Amino acid sequence: DVKVTQSSRYLVKRTGEKVFLECVQDMDHENMFWYRQDPGLGLRLIYFSYDVKMKEKGDIPEGYSVSREKKERFSLILESASTNQTSMYLCASSSPAQETQYFGPGTRLLVL
Amino acid sequence: AQRVTQPEKLLSVFKGAPVELKCNYSYSGSPELFWYVQYSRQRLQLLLRHISRESIKGFTADLNKGETSFHLKKPFAQEEDSAMYYCALDGGSTLGRLYFGRGTQLTVWP
Repeated sequence: DVKVTQSSRYLVKRTGEKVFLECVQDMDHENMFWYRQDPGLGLRLIYFSYDVKMKEKGDIPEGYSVSREKKERFSLILESASTNQTSMYLCASSSPAQETQYFGPGTRLLVL
Repeated sequence: AQRVTQPEKLLSVFKGAPVELKCNYSYSGSPELFWYVQYSRQRLQLLLRHISRESIKGFTADLNKGETSFHLKKPFAQEEDSAMYYCALDGGSTLGRLYFGRGTQLTVWP
């Protein structure tokens, strides 16, 4: 069974803090994704990565960066958290052969 | 450009009634389409994909290229079908990116 884990289920941070969200997958998937999920807006892609050290911007990359130093781990970084980044963050992974994306449980981030 | 539209944000039906969740897409190539579901307090997961032509939990979805639609249907809704449903399009990129609709929250009343 594919397992995608995220480091925290809930996080509370203050405006201006640097925030790290970690995602790990155990299926040797090449592709990894970060989304934010907001009511009425659905899933919006922030960044994705198709290989170690490779990344592509999604639809809403502003205010975020990512890091992929190892194949199994994909980190999302909020350089200076702002209140409008309060959201649910979902990580996913997939392989090119299969296309199906497997999702983590999500991290609910509150920025005060 | 690739786009997925789910026109209904909310959908309510009674148990035993038929349900149809609408999905329309915009894509010039040959699409791969998916339905994902998120039950309360659970992670988002694949429900079905059109190339499998399967029926999962009683749900089916037919790709209609003429109408560019991929509606999800179930003849008799159950309370446990209450969830958020997302339609997604694979735009043909080898990088694995999917384009998601905004989702439809389905509530099945007893």
